[in-house]
Amino acid sequence: DVKVTQSSRYLVKRTGEKVFLECVQDMDHENMFWYRQDPGLGLRLIYFSYDVKMKEKGDIPEGYSVSREKKERFSLILESASTNQTSMYLCASSPRGRGSLAKNIQYFGAGTRLSVL
Amino acid sequence: EDQVTQSPEALRLQEGESSSLNCSYTVSGLRGLFWYRQDPGKGPEFLFTLYSAGEEKEKERLKATLTKKESFLHITAPKPEDSATYLCAVRGSGNTGKLIFGQGTTLQVKP
Repeated sequence: DVKVTQSSRYLVKRTGEKVFLECVQDMDHENMFWYRQDPGLGLRLIYFSYDVKMKEKGDIPEGYSVSREKKERFSLILESASTNQTSMYLCASSPRGRGSLAKNIQYFGAGTRLSVL
Repeated sequence: EDQVTQSPEALRLQEGESSSLNCSYTVSGLRGLFWYRQDPGKGPEFLFTLYSAGEEKEKERLKATLTKKESFLHITAPKPEDSATYLCAVRGSGNTGKLIFGQGTTLQVKP
């Protein structure tokens, strides 16, 4: 079974703190994704990475950065946390998807619920 | 612009009362439509992928169908354990693997 592990289920941070959210996958997937999920807004893509050291902005990258130094690990960084970044953060991974379309499936971690006070 | 709209936002059913969830999409060059189930406080769990109009997939009480404009998730004789939020997503052309998600339908099945 594919496993995507997010380092924390719950985090409470203060405004202005630098926050690191870690995600590790064990299926040798090329693609990794960070989303945030808010009531009424659905899943919104923050950043994604299709290879080590490669990253691309998603729909809402402002206030966030990412790091992918190893294939299995994708980190989301909140440079200076703000209250409007209180949310559920979801990490996902998928194979690159060339060839068989069945390999496009994204597998999600359990999520990190972040509260910024 | 690629877009996914799910309806209804919320659905309450009695146990055994069959119904359908709708996912309408606009995408240039569909390369897959995905259904996920999400339980409260957890990450989405993959259910189905559909690739071409006319395709159908089944799993227990769930059946997903696809046309050129929309997908339906049919729930036959639901049970309380089917209560969850169901998310629909599409992948368009390009090799990045990005998915565009709808806002979801929250299903509650009462015993």
